[in-house]
Amino acid sequence: EVQLVESGGGLVQPGGSLRLSCAVSAVSGFTVSNNYMTWVRQAPGKGLEWVSLIYSGGHTYYADSVQGRFTISRDYSKNILYLQMNSLRPDDTAVYYCARYDPAEVLFDYWGQGTLVTVSS
Amino acid sequence: QSALTQPASVSGSPGQSITISCTGSSSDVGSYNLVSWYQHHPGKAPKLMIYEVSKRPSGISNRFSGSKSGNTASLTISGLQAEDEADYYCWSYAGSGTFVGFGGGTKLTVL
Repeated sequence: EVQLVESGGGLVQPGGSLRLSCAVSAVSGFTVSNNYMTWVRQAPGKGLEWVSLIYSGGHTYYADSVQGRFTISRDYSKNILYLQMNSLRPDDTAVYYCARYDPAEVLFDYWGQGTLVTVSS
Repeated sequence: QSALTQPASVSGSPGQSITISCTGSSSDVGSYNLVSWYQHHPGKAPKLMIYEVSKRPSGISNRFSGSKSGNTASLTISGLQAEDEADYYCWSYAGSGTFVGFGGGTKLTVL
């Protein structure tokens, strides 16, 4: 069973930065480096919004809304996925989920429980 | 605004069937049989319900089914139950390195 656990959310002022983490707990050798991993968010009262994705080979992709401000990365030794968020805006306020993306079947199969980010002064 | 269009809400009574549509374009839904559907209860992790248009992951009730016609994919839930009340989202492949995002989401209310 694969478990994804997000952390790092909290209250931050507009213009500030925050780094989210997604730790993987797996019985069988699931690693963030061998999988396509993604971040998805849900703002209050809004739907799911895809934010960013990193291929196993390292290519990264971002939604237009976060391009140039957010950076997805991973730590091989710690088996952790990150989302570095800079120049935060109030409309970045959301619950952020990490998930595994299966590129062959084009689906998100494992999800974390989410971490709340609030951008407010 | 999402590239994949879903109705904002649908409703049905217990035991009835409902269908949620997901309309894209010839560049995504219309070109690939790679549409997936997710159920999301507030405060919980989203859950994969359907993939590759009509396939069900292990453990998903056969009350959930998917189909596609042209640029529109559909999720049908038969024999509605109270626990089906949730938000539902579609996702479609749109080509290598192209991500159109989730559909806008549909709130299902079980009356």
